Amino acid sequence: NAGVMQNPRHLVRRRGQEARLRCSPMKGHSHVYWYRQLPEEGLKFMVYLQKENIIDESGMPKERFSAEFPKEGPSILRIQQVVRGDSAAYFCASSLSPSGGLDTQYFGPGTRLTVL
Amino acid sequence: AQTVTQSQPEMSVQEAETVTLSCTYDTSESDYYLFWYKQPPSRQMILVIRQEAYKQQNATENRFSVNFQKAAKSFSLKISDSQLGDAAMYFCAYIPNTDKLIFGTGTRLQVFP
Repeated sequence: NAGVMQNPRHLVRRRGQEARLRCSPMKGHSHVYWYRQLPEEGLKFMVYLQKENIIDESGMPKERFSAEFPKEGPSILRIQQVVRGDSAAYFCASSLSPSGGLDTQYFGPGTRLTVL
Repeated sequence: AQTVTQSQPEMSVQEAETVTLSCTYDTSESDYYLFWYKQPPSRQMILVIRQEAYKQQNATENRFSVNFQKAAKSFSLKISDSQLGDAAMYFCAYIPNTDKLIFGTGTRLQVFP
């Protein structure tokens, strides 16, 4: 049973470009969470999605950031017009059922975004 | 505010010895879950151990165990018989009755031979 997959593992963008980060949850998992880790810090929640629905986006910056989890295919975190402050590791996690219950979130290997 | 505090930025331990990493949290919830995650240099987040707040018995996973003190809102991780492969960042995390993990700032553990 493959774990959570994220690609690319490393992404370099110039200021003003768009970054697209992909996350494929574990097989059978329909709940996806995105977290951001700035250098030397812990992970900070960004958004929680179920298939075709955004459940909680309270941690997402109001501008330039968006996320989706379509019926088919991976979840996508999209950052438009990237700035240097967006440089971070972005982690995706998935769970079988909502984590507020008994289910643990399992993490992918992360995507390290570097903005030049 | 719901927060998680790890007051030890760095810890070190000799191989085969025991080390305890501390974690405190602040919450008004009565039901919640606590976790320790390990992040080695590969940056992969690996679940080490979890604890349900309604359980009084402390969780254990092989060489890893926790000391959960609900009244004190304390959740420390004990690593016994430390191994070189235990060297990593360790993050304490908490989920209240929502779905977002709240992480501490981490403790970097060094293991010396």
